[in-house]
Amino acid sequence: QKEVEQDPGPLSVPEGAIVSLNCTYSNSAFQYFMWYRQYSRKGPELLMYTYSSGNKEDGRFTAQVDKSSKYISLFIRDSQPSDSATYLCAMTWVSGSARQLTFGSGTQLTVLP
Amino acid sequence: NAGVMQNPRHLVRRRGQEARLRCSPMKGHSHVYWYRQLPEEGLKFMVYLQKENIIDESGMPKERFSAEFPKEGPSILRIQQVVRGDSAAYFCASSPGLGTYEQYFGPGTRLTVT
Repeated sequence: QKEVEQDPGPLSVPEGAIVSLNCTYSNSAFQYFMWYRQYSRKGPELLMYTYSSGNKEDGRFTAQVDKSSKYISLFIRDSQPSDSATYLCAMTWVSGSARQLTFGSGTQLTVLP
Repeated sequence: NAGVMQNPRHLVRRRGQEARLRCSPMKGHSHVYWYRQLPEEGLKFMVYLQKENIIDESGMPKERFSAEFPKEGPSILRIQQVVRGDSAAYFCASSPGLGTYEQYFGPGTRLTVT
């Protein structure tokens, strides 16, 4: 079993739709969670990061963390064609000197105009 | 504020040659990380460095791979005697330091071994 499982997609939605992207994890030591967006042949771009359970909103993006269920989500409202990319969840633990991120395999999203 | 810089962006090496990948972190960032993305696979951690120190190299292959982050200049990921299986995208990330955990990625170096 992988430490981080992510729905691979591909996911195709019409412009303006609400998109839900999800990851589950098995290691309860993970305490810090991030979402990245990666366009084809580019580097991952940090979208959101959060430490607490609950919701964090930034513009059209909302990150949700449920530590009791080991489940995180990213919601995109009013999706745009420019949101078409691969979305990666990532997480790390916050004790000791280790800082490595463990990534999900990514969900490929296409927003159709 | 310039982001993380990596060069070269594309690198072609023949089997048995050496590859050197360079990374300059964001201004004010003292922590550097290297990740590898193999075709059709996710991003995998390789090594975590601070200036003149390797903090965590648990993801680094035991042979042929090494990394450094000298007092002056960029971080270097070095792959000796490259093989076809080393063909991948190599990403560098940086973060400000203790108390922060989010990492900012560079554009990557795409290594092709022929």
